[in-house]
Amino acid sequence: GAVVSQHPSWVICKSGTSVKIECRSLDFQATTMFWYRQFPKQSLMLMATSNEGSKATYEQGVEKDKFLINHASLTLSTLTVTSAHPEDSSFYICSAPTGPHSGANVLTFGAGSRLTVL
Amino acid sequence: GENVEQHPSTLSVQEGDSAVIKCTYSDSASNYFPWYKQELGKGPQLIIDIRSNVGEKKDQRIAVTLNKTAKHFSLHITETQPEDSAVYFCAASGAAGNKLTFGGGTRVLVKP
Repeated sequence: GAVVSQHPSWVICKSGTSVKIECRSLDFQATTMFWYRQFPKQSLMLMATSNEGSKATYEQGVEKDKFLINHASLTLSTLTVTSAHPEDSSFYICSAPTGPHSGANVLTFGAGSRLTVL
Repeated sequence: GENVEQHPSTLSVQEGDSAVIKCTYSDSASNYFPWYKQELGKGPQLIIDIRSNVGEKKDQRIAVTLNKTAKHFSLHITETQPEDSAVYFCAASGAAGNKLTFGGGTRVLVKP
């Protein structure tokens, strides 16, 4: 089946630095990818929709200058947490539609990336 | 926007018993309702889904029911096994393309 690969699976960084997380669709193309954030013992909250070749669409309350999203190819989307602070520590998960036809809303999720900001 | 409520937040069952998780949604335009299982430190895995033109769907020990009129859907796991222990999330989408709105999650513990 379709696989969404995320890297790194975990990262520790110092406060003030930037961290990039990659999300790749393996063996399929994804014109759209979704980035979610999950705090411990909480649900998944959609941060933004990544669109190949155009700007990402951010959900209300998500700072686009803080969470930079780039979707430069049909198989890769990246999320960069800029000037990270401890409150940015979270589990970041990407997903891509893998339905049988365009517009389908079956999503396959990556394994997630745990960010810890010291 | 869509709002999905999920109950209970925790569920402890004896191995072999059934587990039921219920969700309600607010947007009557939603037409796709997946259920995901998330194990500790991993991404969610789709276990079953249902679309609004179907009232019930079953896959071995897992079944999902949908009541469009009441705007609620449920996950049923029969003959639970310890490996069913995980966090389960319901979700809904349809009105806004592929966007999924998740419920709060249910932590299921199956006691051997």
